[in-house]
Amino acid sequence: GAGVSQSPSNKVTEKGKDVELRCDPISGHTALYWYRQSLGQGLEFLIYFQGNSAPDKSGLPSDRFSAERTGGSVSTLTIQRTQQEDSAVYLCASSLVHGNEQFFGPGTRLTVL
Amino acid sequence: DQQVKQNSPSLSVQEGRISILNCDYTNSMFDYFLWYKKYPAEGPTFLISISSIKDKNEDGRFTVFLNKSAKHLSLHIVPSQPGDSAVYFCAAKAGGGNKLTFGTGTQLKVEL
Repeated sequence: GAGVSQSPSNKVTEKGKDVELRCDPISGHTALYWYRQSLGQGLEFLIYFQGNSAPDKSGLPSDRFSAERTGGSVSTLTIQRTQQEDSAVYLCASSLVHGNEQFFGPGTRLTVL
Repeated sequence: DQQVKQNSPSLSVQEGRISILNCDYTNSMFDYFLWYKKYPAEGPTFLISISSIKDKNEDGRFTVFLNKSAKHLSLHIVPSQPGDSAVYFCAAKAGGGNKLTFGTGTQLKVEL
């Protein structure tokens, strides 16, 4: 069966440009999470979607970051006016509604020049 | 404030011996702990977990121990195999919530 997929796998952009990162969760998983891993750091929580509930945005580092989840499935993380410190691997995960185990995608490596 | 800490960035072990990876946490509200394994260019994969009502959970070659009073958990891998070489992340969550708080990871290298 298909796991969590993310696209693109790599993205290089110039400072100040906007980027969109996509996540396709596992079919049937109602919970979806975005994390990022900066160099030498652990995974940092960004945002969490659960069904039709309001998302938990407590981890978003600034208002340049936003995410949406359309139709309870695919999610897009948007970073506006990218900065060099946004360079990281952005990981998406999904889980069952009451699942303790989160299944991760391969990540998108974002490099802001 | 790093609520989940993995103080050893790397560990090298000989094949067949025991690997012990350590993790400390500061948030007493954490009640569920997980270990994830990550190979380069791949997302983390779930390995084993433990609830705070237990002090040990075993799955094949992997055992996780939890010491709540010390706010410490460890992952034991025995016997270690070369394919176990990866980065291991400790993660925790609190009170039925779904957000995971991760440590910075330990790079395990199992040598022949």
